[in-house]
Amino acid sequence: GAVVSQHPSRVICKSGTSVKIECRSLDFQATTMFWYRQFPKQSLMLMATSNEGSKATYEQGVEKDKFLINHASLTLSTLTVTSAHPEDSSFYICSAREAGVSYGYTFGSGTRLTVV
Amino acid sequence: KQEVTQIPAALSVPEGENLVLNCSFTDSAIYNLQWFRQDPGKGLTSLLLIQSSQREQTSGRLNASLDKSSGRSTLYIAASQPGDSATYLCAPLRAGGTSYGKLTFGQGTILTVHP
Repeated sequence: GAVVSQHPSRVICKSGTSVKIECRSLDFQATTMFWYRQFPKQSLMLMATSNEGSKATYEQGVEKDKFLINHASLTLSTLTVTSAHPEDSSFYICSAREAGVSYGYTFGSGTRLTVV
Repeated sequence: KQEVTQIPAALSVPEGENLVLNCSFTDSAIYNLQWFRQDPGKGLTSLLLIQSSQREQTSGRLNASLDKSSGRSTLYIAASQPGDSATYLCAPLRAGGTSYGKLTFGQGTILTVHP
């Protein structure tokens, strides 16, 4: 089945630095990938839709200059948290699906970001 | 805007029970609906995918039904086991409009199966 690989699984960074999270579709091409954020004991909140070869679409309230998304190829999307602050600490998850609505979404294993 | 509600919010049962997890959604214009499980600190694992034209899907001890017109889906877990303990999430896939291709998640049902 479809596999989405997400790295790193955990990262601790100092306040003010930037962190990059990678999301790869291993055995299929994904023209669209999605980035979610999840706070403890809460459900997933969609942050942005990543489109290959074009600008990402951000959900209302998500700062596009804080969360930079690049989707340079059909198998790789990256999320960069710029100038991270402790309030950016969260669990970030990406997802993608094969072309065609008959397929479901596959999710990465998530990245636990802690900003100290 | 699609809104998804899952009931119950939490469920604690002894091993061996048959379980019913409910999901309701407000917008019936969907392509399909997925059920996922999430273990603590992990990503989501897809359990079942039901197309809008289908009534149910089965995988092992899991069975999911879909009543699109009434905006409801139910996940049945037969003979529950401690390994089934996780958070279960349902997510309908929007068919069109500005939310095309986006999943909407409920708050989930936290299931604990004790030996």
